[in-house]
Amino acid sequence: DIQMTQSPSSLSASVGDRVTITCRASQTISNYLNWYQQKPGKAPKLLIYATSNLQSGVPSRFSGSGSGTDFTLTISSLQPEDFATYYCQQSYTIPSLTFGGGTKVEIK
Amino acid sequence: EVQLVESGGGLVQPGGSLRLSCAASGFSFSSYSMDWVRQAPGKGLEWVSYISSSSSTISYADSVKGRFTISRDNAKNSLYLHMNSLRAEDTAVYYCARIPSMVQGVDYWGQGTLVTVSS
Repeated sequence: DIQMTQSPSSLSASVGDRVTITCRASQTISNYLNWYQQKPGKAPKLLIYATSNLQSGVPSRFSGSGSGTDFTLTISSLQPEDFATYYCQQSYTIPSLTFGGGTKVEIK
Repeated sequence: EVQLVESGGGLVQPGGSLRLSCAASGFSFSSYSMDWVRQAPGKGLEWVSYISSSSSTISYADSVKGRFTISRDNAKNSLYLHMNSLRAEDTAVYYCARIPSMVQGVDYWGQGTLVTVSS
């Protein structure tokens, strides 16, 4: 089974900061890496699919990069509505999916 | 507008059974693969089960294999999860989720239904 490791597990940042979250797969997953945002009490929301493709309606301050085993989600200028938990997910081994452990972005 | 609405959650005793339902609308349900994903209180997301559009491919996480059964009724635009031999560790919010393709991951999620396994 492919394991997904996110880092950090949490971070504190200020509005306007540039934030980077990393996700590492235990084996190559090509570009089958997706990112989700989840706010408390809500369902996750797809932000980026296939490593770097922005889902419709998602602000351009979100971007993704990487390939193989190492991937990054970047928020170029953190906004108040971006404080949430972010999850990576591999879909290389679909139907079996694997999520990372999550990164909680908190207000500094 | 795509909508996924789960129902059927509740409190059940260990060893009990429950059936979750997901009503889909706003898209051609029969054209999409579907997932169940769960989230234990205060924890991360865990994939539970997958069913292809025609039900020809079905898959389960090891943690639920042999106890849970996924099914769908394309005529009723509905997805189901039959859960047997429930354990305390099955306590979670269960989300119904749409899979457009291998590349796109999960593009729509329901609001979730809470399953609590406790005596």
